[in-house]
Amino acid sequence: DTAVSQTPKYLVTQMGNDKSIKCEQNLGHDTMYWYKQDSKKFLKIMFSYNNKELIINETVPNRFSPKSPDKAHLNLHINSLELGDSAVYFCASSPDPLAPAGEQYFGPGTRLTVT
Amino acid sequence: GNSVTQMEGPVTLSEEAFLTINCTYTATGYPSLFWYVQYPGEGLQLLLKATKADDKGSNKGFEATYRKETTSFHLEKGSVQVSDSAVYFCALMNTGFQKLVFGTGTRLLVSP
Repeated sequence: DTAVSQTPKYLVTQMGNDKSIKCEQNLGHDTMYWYKQDSKKFLKIMFSYNNKELIINETVPNRFSPKSPDKAHLNLHINSLELGDSAVYFCASSPDPLAPAGEQYFGPGTRLTVT
Repeated sequence: GNSVTQMEGPVTLSEEAFLTINCTYTATGYPSLFWYVQYPGEGLQLLLKATKADDKGSNKGFEATYRKETTSFHLEKGSVQVSDSAVYFCALMNTGFQKLVFGTGTRLLVSP
């Protein structure tokens, strides 16, 4: 009964390819997020969706396109992969993003390696 | 803008030692403050939180007090265990915004 799940766990691909990472949450939350964690463990938000609507886009390159087919899913598609895209990508969800102590629940991460 | 500054790691301790990981923040308004923990190979988990000044968050023997006057939220534990080895992230969230702003993380290594 995983709360936030991501697939795949590992993804190795070559520069220039297009790839997708999938995220699903079974917590009934309205809001989902994508974070990028670089090699130095620095964690930064990329996108946030609330009820399938994009609400945060943190100046991420156009090559990254999130898609939310329904409240429980937020997928991340990446075009024309570059070496600098190598990182661990975390999906997260939260029940009420406007609450001052809104906890976010994180998935296990997808380690993307671009060669 | 909003930002979080954490002490550089790694922090290396022996089992049963006292732990402090420093965290200071810059924010407009009155943010909520969090400590998240990331165990090897896993995603982040909320460790504790505080929503207003002088609140103390606590969980699993860890504590942190929201100090508005020093804009700090230092994490402490009286006696660490090997199983506490992980990366600890301090974070803030401003009311009305919908994103966590994280510090750079501090790796804790506890040896037997």
